Amino acid sequence: KAGVTQTPRYLIKTRGQQVTLSCSPISGHRSVSWYQQTPGQGLQFLFEYFSETQRNKGNFPGRFSGRQFSNSRSEMNVSTLELGDSALYLCASRTDRGMGYTFGSGTRLTVV
Amino acid sequence: DQQVKQNSPSLSVQEGRISILNCDYTNSMFDYFLWYKKYPAEGPTFLISISSIKDKNEDGRFTVFLNKSAKHLSLHIVPSQPGDSAVYFCAANDAGGTSYGKLTFGQGTILTVHP
Repeated sequence: KAGVTQTPRYLIKTRGQQVTLSCSPISGHRSVSWYQQTPGQGLQFLFEYFSETQRNKGNFPGRFSGRQFSNSRSEMNVSTLELGDSALYLCASRTDRGMGYTFGSGTRLTVV
Repeated sequence: DQQVKQNSPSLSVQEGRISILNCDYTNSMFDYFLWYKKYPAEGPTFLISISSIKDKNEDGRFTVFLNKSAKHLSLHIVPSQPGDSAVYFCAANDAGGTSYGKLTFGQGTILTVHP
């Protein structure tokens, strides 16, 4: 059974640019959540999608957005990148009724 | 407002001994708790969880204890092995509410198990 796949693994962007990260959940998992990990703030919840609908959102500015497709794959987008957006972005998936969140390996974003 | 706290940034233990990692929470709406293990540059790996209707859950070398009145949980690893060396995160969820997909994490504890 394939795990949660995140692409790309590493990314370097310049301030002001935008970036799109991708997440393919485990087959059969319809819930996808995104988290940001930084040394100062730890793991912070970004948003959660289920059946193409955003059900929950964390305290992040509107520059952070996401979407989910009919095959449950999800993307997150960050526009007008700032240096402080440098972080490890993690995606997690689960069945809606299950509580076991499985995380991907993450995308390491560096903004220069 | 840190709703989940792991007050020990690090813990050092000898191989074969018990490792005890602690976690406190403030939100009384949390009713499901999880422990994750994380290596650098990788995603967290689920270890064990506990529902608020229980006070103990065991899985092999890992046992989680929940004290709801104290809003405290702990992870016991017995016996500890060098391969257990990693960062351990405590996480909580309001499973009965509308916190869909939202886990609130502690800051993590770095566990080092010495051979």
